[in-house]
Amino acid sequence: KQEVTQIPAALSVPEGENLVLNCSFTDSAIYNLQWFRQDPGKGLTSLLLIQSSQREQTSGRLNASLDKSSGRSTLYIAASQPGDSATYLCAVNTNAGKSTFGDGTTLTVKP
Amino acid sequence: EAGVAQSPRYKIIEKRQSVAFWCNPISGHATLYWYQQILGQGPKLLIQFQNNGVVDDSQLPKDRFSAERLKGVDSTLKIQPAKLEDSAVYLCASSGRGPGSNIQYFGAGTRLSVL
Repeated sequence: KQEVTQIPAALSVPEGENLVLNCSFTDSAIYNLQWFRQDPGKGLTSLLLIQSSQREQTSGRLNASLDKSSGRSTLYIAASQPGDSATYLCAVNTNAGKSTFGDGTTLTVKP
Repeated sequence: EAGVAQSPRYKIIEKRQSVAFWCNPISGHATLYWYQQILGQGPKLLIQFQNNGVVDDSQLPKDRFSAERLKGVDSTLKIQPAKLEDSAVYLCASSGRGPGSNIQYFGAGTRLSVL
């Protein structure tokens, strides 16, 4: 059974700092991995999708990496802004489209 | 392009009552998911449909939860009777436009409070 762990559970940083969020998974037989953002009271917004054959994906100030063999992914956020404050979730997907989510990291960026 | 629509946004019921949630996925998406998200946790898959067939319902408490996707488009999730521990946000997602694409798009969710 796939298990996904996200550490830390919460993170508070001053504005402008670069930061890394971690996601680890127990079964390396994945199809892809997806990072989401969730604002309070809202649904999930997809940030980045990394296929199992890829090492990283970039979108603006976000960079996600994947090391399938070690069961790890990181989400790097450059030059953090107060608007980045949210909960960040990673989901590991099988080729059948089944997703297993971590419990998320709640990020607070202080002005 | 319209997103995933869910209703209602909020629902408050007493335990042992029944409740139903509705989801309209993105047009053309063959795969539809229902998730339960308890406060402070990640979403947990309840059921996955491919068109109007069930792909995975292994974590659906079938003694009280049921779901259907008539005509492979809209879907409803029902709880009967509700328990206190069913208080959560119920998220609907869809995916599947294009081969090999399983990027999931989520609705805003229905927040259920069971008193």
